[in-house]
Amino acid sequence: GAVVSQHPSWVICKSGTSVKIECRSLDFQATTMFWYRQFPKQSLMLMATSNEGSKATYEQGVEKDKFLINHASLTLSTLTVTSAHPEDSSFYICSARDLGQDHYEQYFGPGTRLTVT
Amino acid sequence: GQNIDQPTEMTATEGAIVQINCTYQTSGFNGLFWYQQHAGEAPTFLSYNVLDGLEEKGRFSSFLSRSKGYSYLLLKELQMKDSASYLCAVRDSNYQLIWGAGTKLIIKP
Repeated sequence: GAVVSQHPSWVICKSGTSVKIECRSLDFQATTMFWYRQFPKQSLMLMATSNEGSKATYEQGVEKDKFLINHASLTLSTLTVTSAHPEDSSFYICSARDLGQDHYEQYFGPGTRLTVT
Repeated sequence: GQNIDQPTEMTATEGAIVQINCTYQTSGFNGLFWYQQHAGEAPTFLSYNVLDGLEEKGRFSSFLSRSKGYSYLLLKELQMKDSASYLCAVRDSNYQLIWGAGTKLIIKP
């Protein structure tokens, strides 16, 4: 099946710094990638939809200036958490949609656990 | 508004069968997905239904009734490793995935 990688798998940073998370589709091209955030014991929350070569579409309540998304190629999207604060500590998961699949299944990366101290 | 309902938590015994229900109200329907998520890990795909009926895949089966806005995931011959959260997600008319809150399944020996 299709594989999506994320890097790093976990990161600890100090409050006020920025963190970049990479999401790559390894064996398929993904014109659309999704970024989710998940707090402990809660469901996935879609943050934004990222389309290759265009601006990301952010969900209501997600600050686009704080969570910068770049989808530079068909296999790479990045999420940068700028000026991170402890409340940004969460599990960030990306997924990519494989248009080669009949039902446009979304494949998830392994997630990045961010801890802001 | 759009809504997906599934039980918060269920408990079952190793070797038994469990059925996890999901009801949905969405703007349009382009398929229903079930994902498994172990604690601290990303979701993994289990099944996809777009037509009414039962889809069987090994120990797992998923059923869909579009007229009732209802699906269930059936897990047979439960194993301890099946302890996880099971997420129901519906793809709406915009091809957006609408997620349920997940059902935490606890398997007891």
